[in-house]
Amino acid sequence: KAGVTQTPRYLIKTRGQQVTLSCSPISGHRSVSWYQQTPGQGLQFLFEYFSETQRNKGNFPGRFSGRQFSNSRSEMNVSTLELGDSALYLCASSGMTGGRGYTFGSGTRLTVV
Amino acid sequence: AQKITQTQPGMFVQEKEAVTLDCTYDTSDPSYGLFWYKQPSSGEMIFLIYQGSYDQQNATEGRYSLNFQKARKSANLVISASQLGDSAMYFCAMREGPGGTSYGKLTFGQGTILTVHP
Repeated sequence: KAGVTQTPRYLIKTRGQQVTLSCSPISGHRSVSWYQQTPGQGLQFLFEYFSETQRNKGNFPGRFSGRQFSNSRSEMNVSTLELGDSALYLCASSGMTGGRGYTFGSGTRLTVV
Repeated sequence: AQKITQTQPGMFVQEKEAVTLDCTYDTSDPSYGLFWYKQPSSGEMIFLIYQGSYDQQNATEGRYSLNFQKARKSANLVISASQLGDSAMYFCAMREGPGGTSYGKLTFGQGTILTVHP
């Protein structure tokens, strides 16, 4: 079955702009979570959605937001971009049960200049 | 608060030899799950192995095994018969919550870069 698809793979934006990243989970998976990966801070949890509802949120400013659609696809948005937002953004989809249920996409590498 | 510690920033191993990557964790939740992921330079996180807090036996997945010592709160990854393709970043992660579930926040360690020499 198809894996987790994240688009775009690479993105370059200017400070102050906003950006929207997309994540299509594995078919049948209803949970989508987002992570930010930077060399300095490592992997940090952004938020998790399940059946269009945000279940959990990490410690990020309000500029970071997300949503999930009825088909389980998810988007995250970052407004008023800062240089420090440059990172690899990873999306993971998961089914209800099974320890191996988290499947990650290849990520979107965002560069803010 | 949950926390994952990987104390080895980098490890080197000879091809075909075994290597152990260390991971210690801290949580007050009696139910939790421990994961190991491999991240090659392409960026994708590849699931390797999972251990639930109530699992009686250490998890194994092919060449990967998890040395789970609950009292010491350690969950070390053992890779047997290393291959050149094993060169990558390796992350230990934990999820608090009921066993058997695969939703919820993952907390990651800082990672260990493994280099396999021919």
